[in-house]
Amino acid sequence: GDSVTQMEGPVTLSEEAFLTINCTYTATGYPSLFWYVQYPGEGLQLLLKATKADDKGSNKGFEATYRKETTSFHLEKGSVQVSDSAVYFCALSPRNSGNTPLVFGKGTRLSVIA
Amino acid sequence: DTAVSQTPKYLVTQMGNDKSIKCEQNLGHDTMYWYKQDSKKFLKIMFSYNNKELIINETVPNRFSPKSPDKAHLNLHINSLELGDSAVYFCASSQSTGIGYTFGSGTRLTVV
Repeated sequence: GDSVTQMEGPVTLSEEAFLTINCTYTATGYPSLFWYVQYPGEGLQLLLKATKADDKGSNKGFEATYRKETTSFHLEKGSVQVSDSAVYFCALSPRNSGNTPLVFGKGTRLSVIA
Repeated sequence: DTAVSQTPKYLVTQMGNDKSIKCEQNLGHDTMYWYKQDSKKFLKIMFSYNNKELIINETVPNRFSPKSPDKAHLNLHINSLELGDSAVYFCASSQSTGIGYTFGSGTRLTVV
């Protein structure tokens, strides 16, 4: 079935460091891809998304590019801040349809230290 | 103006009790979901409803019974609570003609 694999955490970085969180997927057809963020004690917030190959999603300095050839959607940020400390989830929506549940990766915890 | 709201936010209860969690969305979406997040943060789909009809029921104990009185509401009733039911439960909604999922802020259930 459809699945998402993301790098194991936790990831600890110093402020202003470069961030990459790897995400690869397995799916039939053409899924949509998402990154969600969960701040401590809070719910899930959509960070960015991409719906077709070569699309780049971006938000709050974060970026991810939908790479069909490598089935990847890696999350990057050029300069992280302490406030970026959270758990990040890569997810896919199978078959590019809005009424099929999201399939999530296991999450990557990011800690940014001053 | 909350888009997907869940109540209660926290729920502490004893083993063997029956409890309900409510979810409402005001986005006009036609599909709603329940997810369970375990202690390792893993998110797993439990149920999905489209226009009040159950469309996905993953391998969940039958002590869990979702109910959708209308397409804006999806409640989760849990009978005979067990320690292993302790988790954060998230409600979400989406529109079948679009690509976008909105999550509630979660209900932290603790069974003691």
